[in-house]
Amino acid sequence: DGGITQSPKYLFRKEGQNVTLSCEQNLNHDAMYWYRQDPGQGLRLIYYSQIVNDFQKGDIAEGYSVSREKKESFPLTVTSAQKNPTAFYLCASTPPENEKLFFGSGTQLSVL
Amino acid sequence: QKEVEQDPGPLSVPEGAIVSLNCTYSNSAFQYFMWYRQYSRKGPELLMYTYSSGNKEDGRFTAQVDKSSKYISLFIRDSQPSDSATYLCAMSPISSGSARQLTFGSGTQLTVLP
Repeated sequence: DGGITQSPKYLFRKEGQNVTLSCEQNLNHDAMYWYRQDPGQGLRLIYYSQIVNDFQKGDIAEGYSVSREKKESFPLTVTSAQKNPTAFYLCASTPPENEKLFFGSGTQLSVL
Repeated sequence: QKEVEQDPGPLSVPEGAIVSLNCTYSNSAFQYFMWYRQYSRKGPELLMYTYSSGNKEDGRFTAQVDKSSKYISLFIRDSQPSDSATYLCAMSPISSGSARQLTFGSGTQLTVLP
């Protein structure tokens, strides 16, 4: 089955700690995205990548970092600089020449 | 003012009811409109994608766009308990081949009671 796999489903961060959220896709999509979802707010774009070894900041990139070393993988690191990290994080991808998003099942990040 | 406004609900309806979900927007450049359905603690899935003003049907779902009023709607006929979810509208100024310029509404939580 083709799709996007996010792990872990739940993640807890201690103060001052960096944590990494995994996102893997087998859809052969070039473009991948990370969104943050807070209650009562729309999805907000953190980072996106149109191609391997290239990525761009989205609307709320501060306190986050990404890498894109492989087409299939787009991990997100929530750094200690992100002071309000508690949120539901969604990874997504789009087919070529298309803005229709395919989403993973999300990771809920909470602060201990 | 947000670019895209969506009533958060919650909205509860009895099974079999017709549901109307709405979004308004302020950016007249928006040309492409989408509706996503999101079950609790899951990723959203695309339901409907429209470009032009007017109606688009897919089974029990109808998407309506009124660009002159900057207003879009999603109608669900014969609603089922399995339709209980949060519905997100999304819109983009161009079909750029990238979701970079997509703007989402905050979502409406719908519960269909058996």
